[in-house]
Amino acid sequence: DTAVSQTPKYLVTQMGNDKSIKCEQNLGHDTMYWYKQDSKKFLKIMFSYNNKELIINETVPNRFSPKSPDKAHLNLHINSLELGDSAVYFCASSLAGRNTGELFFGEGSRLTVL
Amino acid sequence: AQKITQTQPGMFVQEKEAVTLDCTYDTSDPSYGLFWYKQPSSGEMIFLIYQGSYDQQNATEGRYSLNFQKARKSANLVISASQLGDSAMYFCAMREGYSGGSNYKLTFGKGTLLTVNP
Repeated sequence: DTAVSQTPKYLVTQMGNDKSIKCEQNLGHDTMYWYKQDSKKFLKIMFSYNNKELIINETVPNRFSPKSPDKAHLNLHINSLELGDSAVYFCASSLAGRNTGELFFGEGSRLTVL
Repeated sequence: AQKITQTQPGMFVQEKEAVTLDCTYDTSDPSYGLFWYKQPSSGEMIFLIYQGSYDQQNATEGRYSLNFQKARKSANLVISASQLGDSAMYFCAMREGYSGGSNYKLTFGKGTLLTVNP
């Protein structure tokens, strides 16, 4: 069973389109995240949700809108895609209050904007 | 200022030898956690090891150990007896204390690409 699963794994689209990436975790965690990994492999947090509540929004353009229908799901919707949005987007989850609190990552979704 | 600094963009090591990947961090919070992740060419992020700021002993997990020097703010990863499968990008990350939402995120360094030669 995949612990953190993201779909789709690959996404190729045109500039200006709107797209969504879905994420689900079956670990019973209460906190979920979206990270963006750019072409230089730098990982930067975008959003964090704890029990469906937005905790972190790291100065991400408002074209990016996360939605958490329940604590096992965190989706990412991107409007009006731009070339600079091309990246790998990782979903992750963790258990708040756990001593180590390590993040469990999905396999990533590679978005290519043409 | 960068919170996590990994000064080695790339490292090479011979199979079966040990290698140290450097990581320094910057925080004024007394409570924090340090993490290492591995990202092979297939792209997934694999958690390796964790060190808490109050932990008295250096963390170890199999062939991985974390050389934690608190006064120097360094958290180097040591991989013993390198294997070809260790070739990957390695990321150091930090979670700061419990103020605001800071405990809900990891801040990552830029990574070190390790190549293990046969």
